[in-house]
Amino acid sequence: LAKTTQPISMDSYEGQEVNITCSHNNIATNDYITWYQQFPSQGPRFIIQGYKTKVKNEVASLFIPADRKSSTLSLPRVSLSDTAVYYCLVGDGIGGYQKVTFGTGTKLQVIP
Amino acid sequence: KAGVTQTPRYLIKTRGQQVTLSCSPISGHRSVSWYQQTPGQGLQFLFEYFSETQRNKGNFPGRFSGRQFSNSRSEMNVSTLELGDSALYLCASSVASGSFNEQFFGPGTRLTVL
Repeated sequence: LAKTTQPISMDSYEGQEVNITCSHNNIATNDYITWYQQFPSQGPRFIIQGYKTKVKNEVASLFIPADRKSSTLSLPRVSLSDTAVYYCLVGDGIGGYQKVTFGTGTKLQVIP
Repeated sequence: KAGVTQTPRYLIKTRGQQVTLSCSPISGHRSVSWYQQTPGQGLQFLFEYFSETQRNKGNFPGRFSGRQFSNSRSEMNVSTLELGDSALYLCASSVASGSFNEQFFGPGTRLTVL
C-alpha cells in the first residue's frame, strides 16, 4: 500500500502562503496524488490532484518533483476559513484510493 | 445537483446491537465507498461498491457489511456492535470505480456505541 507521511499540525497567520509537504516514498508508477480538505463534522472535500510537475486550480497549487516521492500543497494567502485538516492521498494503482488509509492528515490552524 | 446524503446523521446504540446506515450518492455516480473515521486511526476504508458489486474491501471484520441497490444507493450494516465501533462513518461517491476519480463525501453518520 502507498503510505503517506505528513506533519501533524501547522500554524499560519492570515494572508500568508502555506505549504504542506507529504512524503510518499513508495509511490507506484500509476499512482496519482490527491489532496482533500476536511472541516469539523463534515466529510473531506477534494482540493487538487496531480501526477507530476505542477498543477494549479483556483484554490491551490500542487508541486510534485521529478522523483514523485513527495508533493507539496500550496495554499495562497490563507484566511481563517482555511482552518481544517488536509489529507494527502496516493492511489496504489490496484483498487485505487479505496485501498489506502488517509491517515491523520495535517491540521492547519490559521491565526488572525 | 444534490450532494451525497447520509441518514441518519446521528445514532446511539448499545453494545451487541446492530445498525444500518444509508447513503444516497450524487445522481449519475455508480461507485459508493464507505470509510470509518476515528480520532486515533484517521480515515480508514471499509469497502467500495460499484454497480451493485463489492469491488474493494478494507481490513475490517465480517461484522461490517454493505450492499448497493440498482439505483446506486448503498447501505452499510454493523452487527454485534462494540464500543470501538463508535466513529464517524463517511460515504463517498464517484462516477466510476478506480483511483483516479474524484470522490465526493457525504456529511457522515456519527455512531455512538454505549
